Amino acid sequence: EVQLLESGGGLAQPGGSLRLSCAASGFTFSSYAMNWVRQAPGKGLEWVSGISGSGGGTHYADSVKGRFIISRDNSKNTVYLQMNSLRAEDTAIYYCAKDLDIVPTILAFWGQGTLVTVSS
Amino acid sequence: QSALTQPASVSGSPGQSITISCTGTSSDVGAYNYVSWFQQHPGKAPKLMIYDVNERPSGVSHRFSGSKSGNMASLTISGLQAEDGADYYCNSYTSSNTFVFGGGTKLTVL
Repeated sequence: EVQLLESGGGLAQPGGSLRLSCAASGFTFSSYAMNWVRQAPGKGLEWVSGISGSGGGTHYADSVKGRFIISRDNSKNTVYLQMNSLRAEDTAIYYCAKDLDIVPTILAFWGQGTLVTVSS
Repeated sequence: QSALTQPASVSGSPGQSITISCTGTSSDVGAYNYVSWFQQHPGKAPKLMIYDVNERPSGVSHRFSGSKSGNMASLTISGLQAEDGADYYCNSYTSSNTFVFGGGTKLTVL
């Protein structure tokens, strides 16, 4: 059974940093791309970043490019999202999503999310 | 990357069929068959209902179907049931190696 467990969310100050983690189980982790998607309170979904199965390819939404870094440790079956220079508009539930392929194509399975609040 | 365009809300009675449209551009919906649809109930994570325009993941009811013509994709739900009431989002891969979502459609089952 595929399971994704996000952690690391919480309260951060504007300009601050947080690192999110997503621990995966139930599938061959290195064979699938992984993504982060967020949802601001009461709003729609926004794709944030994706990383290929090998970790060699990374992609970002314009809204986070230069501030967020996605990475993965295939030995630990974990994908990370390092969030720097946080802004109030980064406040959202952050979901980890397993792809259908080794490169990002389809957001096939989602975790339950972790809440990030950016406020002074 | 601009969001895909969906109607804000649709409604239907039990047993009826409804269709939700999703309009993109030649750089996303029109360029690839990596079009997906997600169902989200309040307080829950999104669930993949349709991928690759018209494929259903294992366990998803055959009442859900998808299609695409040019830059517009559609989700059709037939034989509406009360539990189909939820928010629905379309999604497409883009030529920039990113993903773009629609703004979401609230489905009310009357």
